Amino acid sequence: EDKVVQSPLSLVVHEGDTVTLNCSYEVTNFRSLLWYKQEKKAPTFLFMLTSSGIEKKSGRLSSILDKKELFSILNITATQTGDSAVYLCAVVWTNAGKSTFGDGTTLTVKP
Amino acid sequence: ETGVTQSPTHLIKTRGQQVTLRCSSQSGHNTVSWYQQALGQGPQFIFQYYREEENGRGNFPPRFSGLQFPNYSSELNVNALELDDSALYLCASSDYRLAGHYEQYFGPGTRLTVT
Repeated sequence: EDKVVQSPLSLVVHEGDTVTLNCSYEVTNFRSLLWYKQEKKAPTFLFMLTSSGIEKKSGRLSSILDKKELFSILNITATQTGDSAVYLCAVVWTNAGKSTFGDGTTLTVKP
Repeated sequence: ETGVTQSPTHLIKTRGQQVTLRCSSQSGHNTVSWYQQALGQGPQFIFQYYREEENGRGNFPPRFSGLQFPNYSSELNVNALELDDSALYLCASSDYRLAGHYEQYFGPGTRLTVT
C-alpha cells in the first residue's frame, strides 16, 4: 500500500533555530513530491520536486529529494514565529495526479 | 487571478442525511481534486475531475460522488452521512495540461460536522 511518513510528528524550537523536516515514501509510479504549509485551513504550496539531488530554495526554505532512498527533507533556517504551522508532504503518483499525503509535522516556533 | 473558493464554510448535518459541497477552481485551472482531512491527519484523496469526468479515485465508498461543470467548478456529494464523515473537505485545482506539473492550489475548505 502506498505510504508517506513524516517525522517528527511535532517540533518546538525557538526563533532563529534551523529545522529539518523529513518525509519518506513508498509509492508506486512516483511522479513528484510536494511540500505544503497548513496554518489554519488551506494548505499553501511550497515546493514541487521531481528530480533527485536538485535543491529547491525559496527564501529561508529549501528542499531536496532523494529518489534512490525514497525521501525528501524540508529545511527552514532562521525560523520565525510565522513559520509555526503544519508542514505536509504529498507524493503524486499515476498520470491521474492521485496523491498520498503524510500526516504532517507540527512546527511551533517560540519567540 | 481568482483563487479557489469553497462553499459553505461550515455545515452541520445529521447522520443519514445527504450533503453537497461546492468548489470554484482557480482561473485557468481545468482539474479539481477533492480531499477529506480528519483532525490531526493529512488530507486523504477522494477523487479528481478533469474535463467533467472522474479521472482517479481514492479509497472512498460510492456514496461519495462528484461532478465537474463546463466552467471547471465542481461539487462533492456525500449520501447517507456517517459520524466518521465529520472532517474538513478540501478542494484543490490545477492545470492538467502542464504535463508533470501537479502544483495544486487549495481552497479554504468546508468543515462538515455530522451529529
